[in-house]
Amino acid sequence: SAVISQKPSRDICQRGTSLTIQCQVDSQVTMMFWYRQQPGQSLTLIATANQGSEATYESGFVIDKFPISRPNLTFSTLTVSNMSPEDSSIYLCSVEGQTSYEQYFGPGTRLTVT
Amino acid sequence: GIQVEQSPPDLILQEGANSTLRCNFSDSVNNLQWFHQNPWGQLINLFYIPSGTKQNGRLSATTVATERYSLLYISSSQTTDSGVYFCAVVETGGFKTIFGAGTRLFVKA
Repeated sequence: SAVISQKPSRDICQRGTSLTIQCQVDSQVTMMFWYRQQPGQSLTLIATANQGSEATYESGFVIDKFPISRPNLTFSTLTVSNMSPEDSSIYLCSVEGQTSYEQYFGPGTRLTVT
Repeated sequence: GIQVEQSPPDLILQEGANSTLRCNFSDSVNNLQWFHQNPWGQLINLFYIPSGTKQNGRLSATTVATERYSLLYISSSQTTDSGVYFCAVVETGGFKTIFGAGTRLFVKA
């Protein structure tokens, strides 16, 4: 299994500002994933981040709004830019296990935009 | 892309009751997982079960890959079982995990 930490755990931000969320894994992993969970909804994949290359974004998500960095095999950041109240969600990072497709999730960042 | 449907969407149980949650998927999968999201938002891995049957305490799961469904059994439910249960799959040949809409469970004391 993998141990994943995220910072911050929660934040309240004003509209128009940006927030960077950090994700740290206790082992080296090839792919890291970022998800959004809007209130009362399921999880939606935002993007897949490989070390050394640009992130791959899912339909409906763009790099200008959700820039991602992946500087090494244990760390990634997701920035939520120019925030609006519609961005209020839980943002989660995840990784695959070393020997299977099993996914492990961080504790999430609960973002409220006012 | 693959579709994942969970039922029922909502479930209310009296403490001590048993329940079965279902996950149907529209195509073959490499991976199927069950997660429990607790009221604080933490996703907890319950089972990694692309096929077969597994048990862990009061919980068990069965996936029949050829018929494209999985079942999660909760026996002798407790109030701490409350939360949302998600089924998530990775389509064969893919790498993205797709989540179902979830089953929201409330266990009454």
